[in-house]
Amino acid sequence: DAGVTQSPTHLIKTRGQQVTLRCSPKSGHDTVSWYQQALGQGPQFIFQYYEEEERQRGNFPDRFSGHQFPNYSSELNVNALLLGDSALYLCASSWGAGTSTDTQYFGPGTRLTVL
Amino acid sequence: GQQLNQSPQSMFIQEGEDVSMNCTSSSIFNTWLWYKQDPGEGPVLLIALYKAGELTSNGRLTAQFGITRKDSFLNISASIPSDVGIYFCAGQWGAQKLVFGQGTRLTINP
Repeated sequence: DAGVTQSPTHLIKTRGQQVTLRCSPKSGHDTVSWYQQALGQGPQFIFQYYEEEERQRGNFPDRFSGHQFPNYSSELNVNALLLGDSALYLCASSWGAGTSTDTQYFGPGTRLTVL
Repeated sequence: GQQLNQSPQSMFIQEGEDVSMNCTSSSIFNTWLWYKQDPGEGPVLLIALYKAGELTSNGRLTAQFGITRKDSFLNISASIPSDVGIYFCAGQWGAQKLVFGQGTRLTINP
């Protein structure tokens, strides 16, 4: 049973560029959440996708956008990159965004470095 | 962004010692979770708690969901070298976002 997978593992971009990160959820899961983890900090919620729609959003600017595909996989897009966007980006999958006990399982993350 | 208050921030212990860490919040949650994260990896779920007052064990790990629903603790008994890492608590309300603590970095001297 495959767990949550993310690609790429590492990425280096320069300021102003755009980046797309990808996530495939754990088998049987239909909900994908994205988190940003700065060095030495706990993960911060970016947004959650369920049924191909953004269901919740954290305190992140519109430069951060996403998409969920019919197979439940998801993309995170960040435009006009800033140095402060350098972080580990984590994808978490779960089942049934409308239920009360959907435990989130995390992927290994994508390490983004903005120069 | 919102974070839970997790303490201690770091711990340096001898192998075989017991470990205790806790997490508090100003908001109530109906789920508390404990994750462990190794360098360069994503958080791995250790224990999930779904009911106030619940005490749950997973091997040498024991966690409790505080009766006020605003706190939780994690204990590790008889620590071993592979317990080294960063432990995060997270609170959740329904299917809402996870809110994480700042993490507790555990270092073990053999």
